[in-house]
Amino acid sequence: DTGVSQNPRHKITKRGQNVTFRCDPISEHNRLYWYRQTLGQGPEFLTYFQNEAQLEKSRLLSDRFSAERPKGSFSTLEIQRTEQGDSAMYLCASSLGQGAAGSPLHFGNGTRLTVT
Amino acid sequence: DQQVKQNSPSLSVQEGRISILNCDYTNSMFDYFLWYKKYPAEGPTFLISISSIKDKNEDGRFTVFLNKSAKHLSLHIVPSQPGDSAVYFCAASYNTGNQFYFGTGTSLTVIP
Repeated sequence: DTGVSQNPRHKITKRGQNVTFRCDPISEHNRLYWYRQTLGQGPEFLTYFQNEAQLEKSRLLSDRFSAERPKGSFSTLEIQRTEQGDSAMYLCASSLGQGAAGSPLHFGNGTRLTVT
Repeated sequence: DQQVKQNSPSLSVQEGRISILNCDYTNSMFDYFLWYKKYPAEGPTFLISISSIKDKNEDGRFTVFLNKSAKHLSLHIVPSQPGDSAVYFCAASYNTGNQFYFGTGTSLTVIP
């Protein structure tokens, strides 16, 4: 399977706990994105990497959120001190590094986070 | 502010007929537009895209039309099949930016 892989598929945590999600992109893609989706909404941009460099981060992203992409391969998204409002589907996507035009995002199946 | 809008939350179509899904955008800098399909518990799947230098792109049963002056794009599915029942998202980006902006989705139901 050469698609985008995300783990875990589901995560239930108590408020205040830290959680970490992993994304393995399509191997030849050098761009990696994190998006968040809540019920009835479209995916919302969180952050973006080109290779190992984090080039853009949403202004909506609080400092409780941090993402890394060591060695430009897999990526992790960590949420510290989770809040109930963090409950959402977290989507990872990757694309070829040919500029935004002509390079569609390819999404994984997401990690559904529930904060109780 | 929502730069990409899908004003119809849902659409029902008979099998074999045409499905038309609509999308409007506000940012005139957008130059690349995409449609995604999403089944429950899965991530969005890329369907078809169009560059702003074109006004139409076809791929099998799917055709995307772009009207730049109206800042409007549409996805036509002909003929519609029950397996097309899903949520459809339109998305847009611009070449000097790194983000893709998504609409809120339209839930399509194709009735057998």
